[in-house]
Amino acid sequence: GAGVSQSPSNKVTEKGKDVELRCDPISGHTALYWYRQSLGQGLEFLIYFQGNSAPDKSGLPSDRFSAERTGGSVSTLTIQRTQQEDSAVYLCASSHNADEQYFGPGTRLTVT
Amino acid sequence: GENVEQHPSTLSVQEGDSAVIKCTYSDSASNYFPWYKQELGKRPQLIIDIRSNVGEKKDQRIAVTLNKTAKHFSLHITETQPEDSAVYFCAASRDYQLIWGAGTKLIIKP
Repeated sequence: GAGVSQSPSNKVTEKGKDVELRCDPISGHTALYWYRQSLGQGLEFLIYFQGNSAPDKSGLPSDRFSAERTGGSVSTLTIQRTQQEDSAVYLCASSHNADEQYFGPGTRLTVT
Repeated sequence: GENVEQHPSTLSVQEGDSAVIKCTYSDSASNYFPWYKQELGKRPQLIIDIRSNVGEKKDQRIAVTLNKTAKHFSLHITETQPEDSAVYFCAASRDYQLIWGAGTKLIIKP
């Protein structure tokens, strides 16, 4: 079946602009995660959604970052007033029963 | 909270030799330990995982061992091949959130 998809694959934006990144998880997966990965670095946890429960936002680096998940499926990560340090690959993952996480291809964000 | 340390950060081995990557964790309640492989420019993918009720798991050329007492677990790759070149991440979790190691870049020398 279809895996996790993300859009856009690449996004170049000017400093100060807002961006929205989209994630379509695997159908039926109740858990959805957002991570950030800077070049050559590890995975930085941002936010976690599980079913209808309140999301765990403990990894969001600032109040410029927010995310929502509509209808328990598609998720959108929004970054307001982007800064150059926001440049990274943003990865989304979904899982069933909090086990194996299936990652999407990521969105490469470049803030100029 | 949980903390996962991974060593080494870079590992270079001759093709055909074995590679071992080690991780330690701090939360004794962690019970799930996966290993992910990330090839250059690709997404991370699960290669093997182990739960706290077993000490070792094998899948062809890869194996993972877990020492709950010492709170460390290791990835073993035997008969390394060029396609094993990648960054490997360990992780530990108790509930839903995986705490990730910093990654090990594995280089296979021809």
